[in-house]
Amino acid sequence: AQSVSQHNHHVILSEAASLELGCNYSYGGTVNLFWYVQYPGQHLQLLLKYFSGDPLVKGIKGFEAEFIKSKFSFNLRKPSVQWSDTAEYFCAVITTSGTYKYIFGTGTRLKVLA
Amino acid sequence: NAGVTQTPKFQVLKTGQSMTLQCAQDMNHNSMYWYRQDPGMGLRLIYYSASEGTTDKGEVPNGYNVSRLNKREFSLRLESAAPSQTSVYFCASSEALSTGELFFGEGSRLTVL
Repeated sequence: AQSVSQHNHHVILSEAASLELGCNYSYGGTVNLFWYVQYPGQHLQLLLKYFSGDPLVKGIKGFEAEFIKSKFSFNLRKPSVQWSDTAEYFCAVITTSGTYKYIFGTGTRLKVLA
Repeated sequence: NAGVTQTPKFQVLKTGQSMTLQCAQDMNHNSMYWYRQDPGMGLRLIYYSASEGTTDKGEVPNGYNVSRLNKREFSLRLESAAPSQTSVYFCASSEALSTGELFFGEGSRLTVL
């Protein structure tokens, strides 16, 4: 069955540290990929997305993600985190061929220390 | 510019009681979704509606029913609530099933005693 794995469940960083959150999916067909962010007490909102083209995509607030098809990965990165990046981050995949599926990973809680 | 609106935001039920979560979007989106969010399990799709008049089961549909009342509204009903349904429920919408970007409501926290 299709799945999305986020291996880091909790990450604690100091401000200005670099961030990389892993996301791997299991599906052999065409996919669309997303990262969503949920700030404390708020609803999820889109951080960035990949449909096709340049595998390095840039999102809001200095975040970027790289799609590596051969590794079935879509890792999220930020060169220098801020306290305001404290949130939960979710990777998501849509399978665009066959039966429609929109699958979320289990999330990674990021805490940035001031 | 409300986006996706869910009601109620909080609800406490006793086992066996029924309730309906309401969701409305004002973005003229075709597709709507209901997810539940549980600690350590991320978001799991309960039901979705690709377009007005259609509904389909998601990953965890048991114990729930949905109604796509019109293009704007998509409700989720718990006929006989169980403690396992204690969760935070999110409604979402998108332009169409294939476009993918979801717009979420603020969530409804449901506790079943």
